[in-house]
Amino acid sequence: EPEVTQTPSHQVTQMGQEVILRCVPISNHLYFYWYRQILGQKVEFLVSFYNNEISEKSEIFDDQFSVERPDGSNFTLKIRSTKLEDSAMYFCASSDGGYNSPLHFGNGTRLTVT
Amino acid sequence: GQQLNQSPQSMFIQEGEDVSMNCTSSSIFNTWLWYKQDPGEGPVLLIALYKAGELTSNGRLTAQFGITRKDSFLNISASIPSDVGIYFCAGHLKPSGRNRDDKIIFGKGTRLHILP
Repeated sequence: EPEVTQTPSHQVTQMGQEVILRCVPISNHLYFYWYRQILGQKVEFLVSFYNNEISEKSEIFDDQFSVERPDGSNFTLKIRSTKLEDSAMYFCASSDGGYNSPLHFGNGTRLTVT
Repeated sequence: GQQLNQSPQSMFIQEGEDVSMNCTSSSIFNTWLWYKQDPGEGPVLLIALYKAGELTSNGRLTAQFGITRKDSFLNISASIPSDVGIYFCAGHLKPSGRNRDDKIIFGKGTRLHILP
């Protein structure tokens, strides 16, 4: 069964550094998402992306965050200057765009900011 | 903003027991989704519900989309050790005037523990 893949599985970075989290969505999917989960808490929406542009974003997704689909397969989340509170699991998800189609999630990247 | 209230927060049961958890919201949702998250992994879709009143099964799992579209429950029958994990409900709202709302709201999860 096709799946969403994310790399790296764990990234450690120093405060103030830039990080790029990478995702390869399911190949025929058209809608892409980033969510994050702070340890022990619920999964929170960050941003959705369709047709090469952001379609919706949450208040968490401030100017330090950006997303990009640099080619036909990858979908990236960049954090320009990481803060301690950015430490979390970051999940990429995709859907095929059908009416109310469910999201399929990757296994996440654990980001630790020190 | 939209919020989902999921309960219970955690459950401790004996293997073989049935499990029931639910989600309520002050907002109406068009779709209810139930996900399971194992440690170190992403949420995996268990059941998707698209119509008010819909009752859907997936093996030992059964979920219902409440008539008011503001609630849903998930039942697990005859629990087994691999059922351990965190179960999240999620709601998907399609506002009028747009083709889709891309945002899905998650509950805080129900952590299921199975006692030996």
